Amino acid sequence: IVMTQTPLSSSVTLGQPASISCRASQSLVHSDGNIYLSWLQQRPGQPPRLLIYKISNRFSGVPDRFSGSGAGTDFTLDISSVEAEDVGVYYCMQGTQLPYTFGQGTKLEIK
Amino acid sequence: EVKLVESGGGLVQPGGSLRLSCAASGFTVSTSYMNWVRQAPGKGLEWVSIIYNGDTTDYPESVKGRFTVSRDSSKNTLYLQMNSLRDEDTAVYYCARGAVGSLAPWGQGTPVTVSS
Repeated sequence: IVMTQTPLSSSVTLGQPASISCRASQSLVHSDGNIYLSWLQQRPGQPPRLLIYKISNRFSGVPDRFSGSGAGTDFTLDISSVEAEDVGVYYCMQGTQLPYTFGQGTKLEIK
Repeated sequence: EVKLVESGGGLVQPGGSLRLSCAASGFTVSTSYMNWVRQAPGKGLEWVSIIYNGDTTDYPESVKGRFTVSRDSSKNTLYLQMNSLRDEDTAVYYCARGAVGSLAPWGQGTPVTVSS
């Protein structure tokens, strides 16, 4: 399954919202009825960190300014009000079918 | 605290072998879904392997037949045996716990460089 993210880079003013899209090349509906679409954040020099799982569930400790939505093959990560610590690269990942696959990554910078 | 620490990376010649380790604390590796993911310099993430339900494993075509994932319950450690290494295997290798793509936590990574 090919995961395609847009945009590949985004420059956002502090306090403004940001949005990243992810499209899957085929349906991500698992045989159990769930959609296993995750979002990860990778800050500069750090390992990736899970933000969102199963489309819209925030992982433990993730601020509520991060939210996920979508269905079928189209998904979105929204940041309601960008903070300086949000700088980094964001990846979507599908876990519905092996091999797991990632989007190309979206680099978020502060304007 | 749930934590993963990778080790074993380094410089190896093309065609050589290397074994990576991932020591876990705060949970039991042998009863968890465990993954390896790599990141080539300046590039994105690529899933490399999974082990679950005892010794069930899977790999992408890019490493199938060359890489083998395993675990040692007595040491609570995950391993990745990498054989017939190629230039394109150069990357930072991360281990991560989780199933159906919900991977957390991740270790800090161990770098592997394949070069003559």
